Amino acid sequence: AIRMTQSPSSFSASTGDRVTITCRASQGIGSYLAWYQQKPGKAPKLLIYGASTLQSGVPSRFNGSGSGTDFTLTISCLQSEDFATYYCQQFYSYPPYTFGQGTKLEIK
Amino acid sequence: QVQLQQTGPGLVKPSQTLTLTCAISGDSVSSNSATWNWIRQSPSRGLEWLGRTYYRSKWNNDYAASVKSRIRIYPDTSKNQISLQLKSVTPEDTAVYYCARVHNVGNPLLDAFDMWGQGTMVTVSS
Repeated sequence: AIRMTQSPSSFSASTGDRVTITCRASQGIGSYLAWYQQKPGKAPKLLIYGASTLQSGVPSRFNGSGSGTDFTLTISCLQSEDFATYYCQQFYSYPPYTFGQGTKLEIK
Repeated sequence: QVQLQQTGPGLVKPSQTLTLTCAISGDSVSSNSATWNWIRQSPSRGLEWLGRTYYRSKWNNDYAASVKSRIRIYPDTSKNQISLQLKSVTPEDTAVYYCARVHNVGNPLLDAFDMWGQGTMVTVSS
């Protein structure tokens, strides 16, 4: 199975900051990558698919990039509602679909 | 608007069978452009995809190797829902279980879990 590794595992930032989360695949996955946001007690919410395509209704401050093995999720100008845990997930080789371990973004 | 509504018990005894149901509204379980998945989440295992069912001229299933000998995912077309059965559960199966849709329009680059159920916390304990 393809292993997805996110970094950092957690970090703190302030509203208005620009933050970047990294996801690395154990082998090339093209652009078959999605990003999700999860808040406590809620299901994950799709933010980005195809590595860079914004899901309908997701604010434009979220941006995804990368291909192959290295991907990034950038949030420009953090808002209070953006403090959550973020996951990457590959759709290149399945079964199984695999997720990263998550990056928890906390308020500084 | 697509909604997935999960039902099922929150407590299952070790060695018994866990059964959860996911009722679908706003889409069809028999859709040729969707797959219906079960995913679980625990502190020790993170988000773990368990398997899926989907209809493409006939019903198909795929399962994760970690649970393949114990799992069954199946549709109920009369109720427009899917169900998860996980046999011989142990405390390691304690997790929040989610059903989720992949809306597949023929381009794999568009694949993603775009709709999720609300989640069901299942505890395996005597």
